[in-house]
Amino acid sequence: KNQVEQSPQSLIILEGKNCTLQCNYTVSPFSNLRWYKQDTGRGPVSLTIMTFSENTKSNGRYTATLDADTKQSSLHITASQLSDSASYICVVSAQGNNRLAFGKGNQVVVIP
Amino acid sequence: ETGVTQTPRHLVMGMTNKKSLKCEQHLGHNAMYWYKQSAKKPLELMFVYNFKEQTENNSVPSRFSPECPNSSHLFLHLHTLQPEDSALYLCASSQEGQIVGELFFGEGSRLTVL
Repeated sequence: KNQVEQSPQSLIILEGKNCTLQCNYTVSPFSNLRWYKQDTGRGPVSLTIMTFSENTKSNGRYTATLDADTKQSSLHITASQLSDSASYICVVSAQGNNRLAFGKGNQVVVIP
Repeated sequence: ETGVTQTPRHLVMGMTNKKSLKCEQHLGHNAMYWYKQSAKKPLELMFVYNFKEQTENNSVPSRFSPECPNSSHLFLHLHTLQPEDSALYLCASSQEGQIVGELFFGEGSRLTVL
């Protein structure tokens, strides 16, 4: 079983609407969690990083939350734009080593 | 421009061909990685190089052969591949001692094996 599970696998939203992506993980001991955005045919690009003590972090219209107790994170996209169409990948790092656990990604399609 | 350049962006090869993927990073990082990305699967780590030395080989078949001549360049030599090896191959770099997980990815090389 994958250590990082993301949901929904895919979603379609109307331009201008909001959406929330979920990431649940079992990685322990936890070091940090990062959300990447991957446009079609491109490499992943980091959006946010969150450490154990952080609950919320924003990057423009992207807001990530972290609940280290329940081992859950979410990525909220506000006022979606067509350029938000991409795969969003949750990546969790463990303390003590450099191993990263990757989720399969949330595929978001924004339609006009 | 991510600072990590991969060539070629697309490659089609037969099962008996020999080809190579190239990666170059302009970020001054000392660690480089090869990842395989298949549809609907998480990224799979293949190889890790720190200061030109291979520090991890994640049980990758010998038909994939990495080469790291210096800390800025990384190659993946391919030979006698199988159709299931068709995937997006991503190169990444990072700076040891920095925040774990801060990877900078290239645009990827889309490989199709016929």
